[in-house]
Amino acid sequence: GIQVEQSPPDLILQEGANSTLRCNFSDSVNNLQWFHQNPWGQLINLFYIPSGTKQNGRLSATTVATERYSLLYISSSQTTDSGVYFCAVKLDTGRRALTFGSGTRLQVQP
Amino acid sequence: DTGVSQDPRHKITKRGQNVTFRCDPISEHNRLYWYRQTLGQGPEFLTYFQNEAQLEKSRLLSDRFSAERPKGSFSTLEIQRTEQGDSAMYLCASSLGEMNTEAFFGQGTRLTVV
Repeated sequence: GIQVEQSPPDLILQEGANSTLRCNFSDSVNNLQWFHQNPWGQLINLFYIPSGTKQNGRLSATTVATERYSLLYISSSQTTDSGVYFCAVKLDTGRRALTFGSGTRLQVQP
Repeated sequence: DTGVSQDPRHKITKRGQNVTFRCDPISEHNRLYWYRQTLGQGPEFLTYFQNEAQLEKSRLLSDRFSAERPKGSFSTLEIQRTEQGDSAMYLCASSLGEMNTEAFFGQGTRLTVV
């Protein structure tokens, strides 16, 4: 099956710092989503981005489907950005459900 | 639109008991997914429905697990004869249409088997 690898697995930042999270995937995909899992366990949608670049406030994401990776940028981080960030992809063929990476655990310190 | 809703939010049960969880998807969404997430891991796919048809089941879905979506609206996930290894967060998601659409997740049901 498809492999989804996220890096780094853990990241500690000072408030105000910028960061880049990476997601590599092993096959062609037609759907890629980034999520933030809050401390209560709910997955919050950040971006639906099978290709191209999107921005939403301090967050932006870029997916280069031909090179099989996606990047999530967090600028001017805040303590409320802490949590786990997941990348999830859906294949062009085969399973019609998202496959998740193992996540990046972000801790933003004041 | 209130989003995907799951009930209960938390469930503590004794080993060997049966449990049932409910998921109400976003009203117009025809696809519904169940996932399981254990501590420190990403969510793992269990099964999905398109309308009332269960189209795929993961190997994780042992014969003690059964899911239904009787009228193509809400869905239930039942675990029979629970084991301690079933302790996890069970997540439900829904989406509209076929391949290239965004999925939305509920708040999850956290199961603890004691």
